[in-house]
Amino acid sequence: ETGVTQSPTHLIKTRGQQVTLRCSSQSGHNTVSWYQQALGQGPQFIFQYYREEENGRGNFPPRFSGLQFPNYSSELNVNALELDDSALYLCASSPGQGAAYEQYFGPGTRLTVT
Amino acid sequence: AQSVAQPEDQVNVAEGNPLTVKCTYSVSGNPYLFWYVQYPNRGLQFLLKYITGDNLVKGSYGFEAEFNKSQTSFHLKKPSALVSDSALYFCAVRDWDSGYSTLTFGKGTMLLVSP
Repeated sequence: ETGVTQSPTHLIKTRGQQVTLRCSSQSGHNTVSWYQQALGQGPQFIFQYYREEENGRGNFPPRFSGLQFPNYSSELNVNALELDDSALYLCASSPGQGAAYEQYFGPGTRLTVT
Repeated sequence: AQSVAQPEDQVNVAEGNPLTVKCTYSVSGNPYLFWYVQYPNRGLQFLLKYITGDNLVKGSYGFEAEFNKSQTSFHLKKPSALVSDSALYFCAVRDWDSGYSTLTFGKGTMLLVSP
């Protein structure tokens, strides 16, 4: 059974640019959540996708957007990058959208905005 | 709104001694509670969860956690610490009564186990 994978591992972008991060969910999982983890902080919820629909969103501006594909893989897009967007971006999948399900995390993408 | 507090930035314990990592939570309804561990340059790894039932929950690698509703706490424990347990530990909560799907994390507690 393949776990959650994310690409790329590291990324350096310039302020104002756009970035796309990718996530492949664990086999059999239909729900994907994205988190931003700033240095020294706990992960903060960005949004969640269930069967290709966004069904939950945290306190992030619209320039953070996402997609989920029919195979349940997902993308996180961030437009107009700001310095404060520098963080570890974590993708997590779960077998359902219910609150009782634990989430399985990928290794993350480290984004640096200069 | 839901929230989690981990009052200790760091916990130091000698190998072989018991360890406790503290967590308190705030939700409007009934909570689902989780513990995750993060090793350097790695994603989060699920340890255990409380949904309902017994207040003492057993999880991976010998860890357990005690749910205390009156104190709104969910402390992580292990009877005998290992050096390899040194990592960053996160407590997280979901409020299922309000249909809140967001998983809210604490800021994390660094556990350092000395040989």
